[in-house]
Amino acid sequence: DAGVIQSPRHEVTEMGQEVTLRCKPISGHDYLFWYRQTMMRGLELLIYFNNNVPIDDSGMPEDRFSAKMPNASFSTLKIQPSEPRDSAVYFCASSQGGQYYEQYFGPGTRLTVT
Amino acid sequence: GENVEQHPSTLSVQEGDSAVIKCTYSDSASNYFPWYKQELGKRPQLIIDIRSNVGEKKDQRIAVTLNKTAKHFSLHITETQPEDSAVYFCAGSVGGGADGLTFGKGTHLIIQP
Repeated sequence: DAGVIQSPRHEVTEMGQEVTLRCKPISGHDYLFWYRQTMMRGLELLIYFNNNVPIDDSGMPEDRFSAKMPNASFSTLKIQPSEPRDSAVYFCASSQGGQYYEQYFGPGTRLTVT
Repeated sequence: GENVEQHPSTLSVQEGDSAVIKCTYSDSASNYFPWYKQELGKRPQLIIDIRSNVGEKKDQRIAVTLNKTAKHFSLHITETQPEDSAVYFCAGSVGGGADGLTFGKGTHLIIQP
């Protein structure tokens, strides 16, 4: 099992540019979560999906952020336009079921917006 | 929504001694409390978790205790080793984790040789 896969691992972009982060969950996992990690705010839940359907996006900071899950093996988190305060590590995690199942984190994407 | 507070932010202990990290949560409906370990530049990884119907859980040198009345839960690491040095995060969830996790701000555990 390859685990949760994220790409790119590092992204450097200029303010105002569009950024797309990608995630492939573990095969068979029904839940997919996007988290953001910064020194100031720690680890924050942005949005999560169940069976490809967005369930709760209340953590998405602004309309500049959007996420999709077109199929069970792929999700994207898009920021448009990007701003320096979006600089963070973005983690995708997946779990195989509902309650009490471990969330497996991907390696993260380190985003730097200059 | 749920709020999780974690203390201390940094903890330095001698190798072989015990370490205790404490968390409090705000939502009495929370029913799942995992602990994650994150090494520098790496992903968070689950080390132990506890459900609200259990008071204590152990796994070798690691244990977690839960006091639902006080809304406190703690991580205990005994016989600490250099490889225990990392940042530890507690988390809580109302939906058993299926609704996502609310994390504490983390504790940087330093094991002194």
